[in-house]
Amino acid sequence: GDQVEQSPSALSLHEGTDSALRCNFTTTMRSVQWFRQNSRGSLISLFYLASGTKENGRLKSAFDSKERRYSTLHIRDAQLEDSGTYFCAAEAGGGSGNKLIFGTGTLLSVKP
Amino acid sequence: DPKIIQKPKYLVAVTGSEKILICEQYLGHNAMYWYRQSAKKPLEFMFSYSYQKLMDNQTASSRFQPQSSKKNHLDLQITALKPDDSATYFCASSQGQGAGNQAPLFGEGTRLSVL
Repeated sequence: GDQVEQSPSALSLHEGTDSALRCNFTTTMRSVQWFRQNSRGSLISLFYLASGTKENGRLKSAFDSKERRYSTLHIRDAQLEDSGTYFCAAEAGGGSGNKLIFGTGTLLSVKP
Repeated sequence: DPKIIQKPKYLVAVTGSEKILICEQYLGHNAMYWYRQSAKKPLEFMFSYSYQKLMDNQTASSRFQPQSSKKNHLDLQITALKPDDSATYFCASSQGQGAGNQAPLFGEGTRLSVL
């Protein structure tokens, strides 16, 4: 079936550094959503993209508009509160409705 | 104020028992969903409903039965509970199904432990 491959699985950053997470899709996807799951297990929606890029503060996400087979999440000037598990989730569309296929997550740890 | 309410937040059950997980949304959305997150696994889609009708079912076991008594409710009944059912169950909703609809919003989840 349709799959979402997320990398890296774990990432350790020092405060103030930049990095990027990536999700590859085995098929063309209609949209992508990025989440952060905090230590209490709550899912916080960061971005929803049907195409192009979106930016919010130190976070920026892009969805390949041409082939629609990958998305990235850039973290600039990482802060301690950015720690958590990040998930991408893609929507295949068509007969799939709004069913989201989640990646395996990136465990981000930001250290002083 | 939370717009998607899941109850209870935590639930402990014994093997073989039956539980109902509650989900209510106050967003006026027409589509609702259930996802499951088992330990160390990504979230997995279970069901989707649109206008109180089942649209998609990716759950192999009939022990999991969604129940929609009202348009803004989608409860999940789980019978004959097994330890493998232990997981966090997330409810979500969206304006509708199909292209051009907004992203689904997720509730806080119900963490189920089956002993």
